[in-house]
Amino acid sequence: NFVLTQPHSVSESPGKTVTISCTRSSGSIVSTYVQWYQQRPGSSPTTVIYEYNQRASGVPDRFSGSFDSSSNSASLTISGLKTDDEADYYCQSFDRSNVVFGGGTKLTVL
Amino acid sequence: QVQLQESGPGLVKPSQTLSLTCTVSGGSINSGDYYWTWIRQAAGKGLEWVGHIYSSGSTNLNPSLKSRVTISVDTSKKWFSLKLTSVTAADTAVYFCARRRWFDFDSWGQGTLVTVSS
Repeated sequence: NFVLTQPHSVSESPGKTVTISCTRSSGSIVSTYVQWYQQRPGSSPTTVIYEYNQRASGVPDRFSGSFDSSSNSASLTISGLKTDDEADYYCQSFDRSNVVFGGGTKLTVL
Repeated sequence: QVQLQESGPGLVKPSQTLSLTCTVSGGSINSGDYYWTWIRQAAGKGLEWVGHIYSSGSTNLNPSLKSRVTISVDTSKKWFSLKLTSVTAADTAVYFCARRRWFDFDSWGQGTLVTVSS
């Protein structure tokens, strides 16, 4: 079993770039794909990034995903921040056949 | 475009069984290799995977809930269901149904709030 750890919150100004990390507690980050979801208040999550760095349909190229084996983590980077990007972001991966979600990160754009 | 819709009681008494249904429209529940999934989210908390049923009928359940959870599918009626027994206040959450094919959940229901209270 492993845990995906995300920062509880991040904040940045419009137009800037922010990176949200997702660190895997055990096992390699590259052993199972990582996905990222955006969830606005009162709404269901939607996929932003799948398979570490593939943008979901309709997601602007301001959103990008990556992973770093040395820190055993995946990251979601949002550039050119817009106030509309303010939301909760969750990473997700797999532990064998089970699904694992990170605790979520609240992004504030102020 | 497939659509998912959760339905079921919004209030369940402690120690009783929570039962929810997810109706699938705009696509067949038994075509393709999909994982039909339940995910829940307590107020102000993160997403918690409850479990899924594969198109073959096999299930995988969250180990922390496994002893209390049953997920089943009715392909003829185009729905799949969740039963969670012996509920407590800790099971109060918004319950989402969702579809996954390979790695990401590409379709979600709007979610339904279930409150456990006497």
